[in-house]
Amino acid sequence: QQQVKQSPQSLIVQKGGISIINCAYENTAFDYFPWYQQFPGKGPALLIAIRPDVSEKKEGRFTISFNKSAKQFSLHIMDSQPGDSATYFCAATSTGYSTLTFGKGTMLLVSP
Amino acid sequence: DGGITQSPKYLFRKEGQNVTLSCEQNLNHDAMYWYRQDPGQGLRLIYYSQIVNDFQKGDIAEGYSVSREKKESFPLTVTSAQKNPTAFYLCASSSAGGGWETQYFGPGTRLLVL
Repeated sequence: QQQVKQSPQSLIVQKGGISIINCAYENTAFDYFPWYQQFPGKGPALLIAIRPDVSEKKEGRFTISFNKSAKQFSLHIMDSQPGDSATYFCAATSTGYSTLTFGKGTMLLVSP
Repeated sequence: DGGITQSPKYLFRKEGQNVTLSCEQNLNHDAMYWYRQDPGQGLRLIYYSQIVNDFQKGDIAEGYSVSREKKESFPLTVTSAQKNPTAFYLCASSSAGGGWETQYFGPGTRLLVL
């Protein structure tokens, strides 16, 4: 499996603002793209995921946008809150694979 | 409560010593995984197991060993061959062995070298 490139490495957003984290991949076989959220000292937890048959998926304040032709996907956090401060990992895999390939993570700080 | 437990929370290793990190799950999941997390490096896969008595190397298996004698347990041994073991170690499980299955993570073990 090839890598998933995630940016930015860190992000500071004011409360109420929009947080945007981007990921790009190379492997065209990838067909499942989850995002995991990790709070300090804890294990990550699945936040939201998308398959490439749709261009967008929304769950509450969290939206994944997917651009198949550009091989990019992004996480948007609307109305960002201090409680959203965490590290976010994008990941990718294929139906035929046994494992996930993770990006290097984005540390988000939402200032009050 | 169903979930994944890892112990200990902190572990100290002396030079030349092997140490074992525990991972137990009561989710009845078939697949289990070990990741290493370093600042700015994301989650790197060490080993994974899709079924009892079988496991595969991940991207950074050198200096580590595992066993899967029971469905619920997947201990990781950090051997003396691992020259830079200081890291946060995360265990995860999923119901089946496909990458698209949601992975559930434990709280992690932080390993420090004395």
